[in-house]
Amino acid sequence: AQKITQTQPGMFVQEKEAVTLDCTYDTSDQSYGLFWYKQPSSGEMIFLIYQGSYDEQNATEGRYSLNFQKARKSANLVISASQLGDSAMYFCAMREGGRRDDKIIFGKGTRLHILP
Amino acid sequence: GAVVSQHPSRVICKSGTSVKIECRSLDFQATTMFWYRQFPKQSLMLMATSNEGSKATYEQGVEKDKFLINHASLTLSTLTVTSAHPEDSSFYICSARGGQGNNSPLHFGNGTRLTVT
Repeated sequence: AQKITQTQPGMFVQEKEAVTLDCTYDTSDQSYGLFWYKQPSSGEMIFLIYQGSYDEQNATEGRYSLNFQKARKSANLVISASQLGDSAMYFCAMREGGRRDDKIIFGKGTRLHILP
Repeated sequence: GAVVSQHPSRVICKSGTSVKIECRSLDFQATTMFWYRQFPKQSLMLMATSNEGSKATYEQGVEKDKFLINHASLTLSTLTVTSAHPEDSSFYICSARGGQGNNSPLHFGNGTRLTVT
């Protein structure tokens, strides 16, 4: 069974609009972490934002925010005021367990296209 | 910030040869590094967890004799693709945790695009 589910294989959004990328996860651990990464066409993986399972407030980093709904096991990424440079693949990822060397697994990703 | 360097960025080799990929943490020590593989337009698939001073932990379905991992120091892990075949052609990317806390993200190298002819 998939641990990380990203249901949107591709999205087209008009520049300057906000965009929400969906992510649901499956774990029985109480302690876990959720990450979002951006992968441009160059292939590098760029860390965007992190949410810990015990964090009570939604994480924010500049234009990125994470809509964390623990009961629904949902961790959607919200990008405000989208820019052309936001066009990329976006991956949701999860670290199960509370140890820093616990592995991180990735969802299938969403390809975001920002339209001028 | 934490930097992970991966080398080479691209390699083309003939079928049957071996290829070594290096992953270095430049400004921090990494007792654990992770090796991922990514096929075109697909997600990152974890291959193995590289542990400094001990054997790597391989994910189910990954051949340990095919993908040799060595983590001899706190800043260097290597992945050797032995007797490479065309189906091994892929994007290989390494990563390491850059901080002490549980919220420290994985920092990735820029990846190695392997083409086996």
